[in-house]
Amino acid sequence: AQRVTQPEKLLSVFKGAPVELKCNYSYSGSPELFWYVQYSRQRLQLLLRHISRESIKGFTADLNKGETSFHLKKPFAQEEDSAMYYCALSGTQGGSEKLVFGKGTKLTVNP
Amino acid sequence: SQTIHQWPATLVQPVGSPLSLECTVEGTSNPNLYWYRQAAGRGLQLLFYSVGIGQISSEVPQNLSASRPQDRQFILSSKKLLLSDSGFYLCAWSTYRDSPLHFGNGTRLTVT
Repeated sequence: AQRVTQPEKLLSVFKGAPVELKCNYSYSGSPELFWYVQYSRQRLQLLLRHISRESIKGFTADLNKGETSFHLKKPFAQEEDSAMYYCALSGTQGGSEKLVFGKGTKLTVNP
Repeated sequence: SQTIHQWPATLVQPVGSPLSLECTVEGTSNPNLYWYRQAAGRGLQLLFYSVGIGQISSEVPQNLSASRPQDRQFILSSKKLLLSDSGFYLCAWSTYRDSPLHFGNGTRLTVT
């Protein structure tokens, strides 16, 4: 079964500090992983996907198949990074593609 | 505890046929309700959201419509499906606008 776990419901850091939002997954096949972000009063939007290997707004995420993790990292957090972050996995289950979300982590960056 | 039910899990429909996807939430009242779609190779797109019975906001013009006949029921419909309507549809709810989203299991729609 596909499963995404975000162990931290809340994460609070100070501006300029490094931040890491954890995401672990369970999937027997070859997954496609995403991070979505929802800023206050805005819609959910795609932040990055692992196949792109890109850095968006200073965030990066590396897929670690050995640890089945896809942690989101940023070396220096900014106040505008405060938002809800969701990790998601796209895979095939029962012959059908499926997108599964974690429960989300609320990141607060304090001044 | 709150739960969200979305059905069917998979659906194959011919072009021109109608569509009805249903989503219900239990264990909470007056939730914000959302319909999202993920098309192949793209991120999630918000289609509709609702803050109350009969209150529907459409985010993108398209071939789909949504209705909220009861507080915890959200229905996605189409009178005539197009090939481009194929995709993965997710229903979600939240307590209020900035609270965490809770997602259903999704419906994989294939229009043939």
